[in-house]
Amino acid sequence: DQQVKQNSPSLSVQEGRISILNCDYTNSMFDYFLWYKKYPAEGPTFLISISSIKDKNEDGRFTVFLNKSAKHLSLHIVPSQPGDSAVYFCAATFNYGGSQGNLIFGKGTKLSVKP
Amino acid sequence: DVKVTQSSRYLVKRTGEKVFLECVQDMDHENMFWYRQDPGLGLRLIYFSYDVKMKEKGDIPEGYSVSREKKERFSLILESASTNQTSMYLCASSAGAQPQHFGDGTRLSIL
Repeated sequence: DQQVKQNSPSLSVQEGRISILNCDYTNSMFDYFLWYKKYPAEGPTFLISISSIKDKNEDGRFTVFLNKSAKHLSLHIVPSQPGDSAVYFCAATFNYGGSQGNLIFGKGTKLSVKP
Repeated sequence: DVKVTQSSRYLVKRTGEKVFLECVQDMDHENMFWYRQDPGLGLRLIYFSYDVKMKEKGDIPEGYSVSREKKERFSLILESASTNQTSMYLCASSAGAQPQHFGDGTRLSIL
């Protein structure tokens, strides 16, 4: 059973507009969430994360929102740029005693930003 | 900057061959991971290691083994390659509770 779900395989957005990528999880033990970005023929690169003690984390054009009651998180990219076109993976885990459990990844959402 | 280096970007092997995929990280990370990425399936964990000579099975370990003789190197071994092991293989490393850093991947084709 999928513990981390990205229900939209793809998303197309106009340059300059907002991109919203969604992620749902089922395991209430998860307390740390990450977004990775992946270009073709490259490995995933870490983008932004959020701890369950927060409901929002912002880094430049990227903001992640966490709704624990709904077990839902979203990544907002504002404004979207053509260079943001990539596959975005949501991942979840739990932290314990300074260590981290294994990451559970969603299947990814392919974002296309049109000029 | 963290550097995770995978020895080959592209590899073509025959069914039944023993295949070695090598991964080296330069940041003294204790944790290392092997994933495979397939279209529509995301990243799936094959094996991981939290210390030298230590290994743990991930979600899909069947047909694979690993070796970690040195802290910086984590090898993935396909004991007898099969066509269903054609995939993109990704190595990652991390320290403690920090985010994992990935290599650029090895695209492996088994003919």
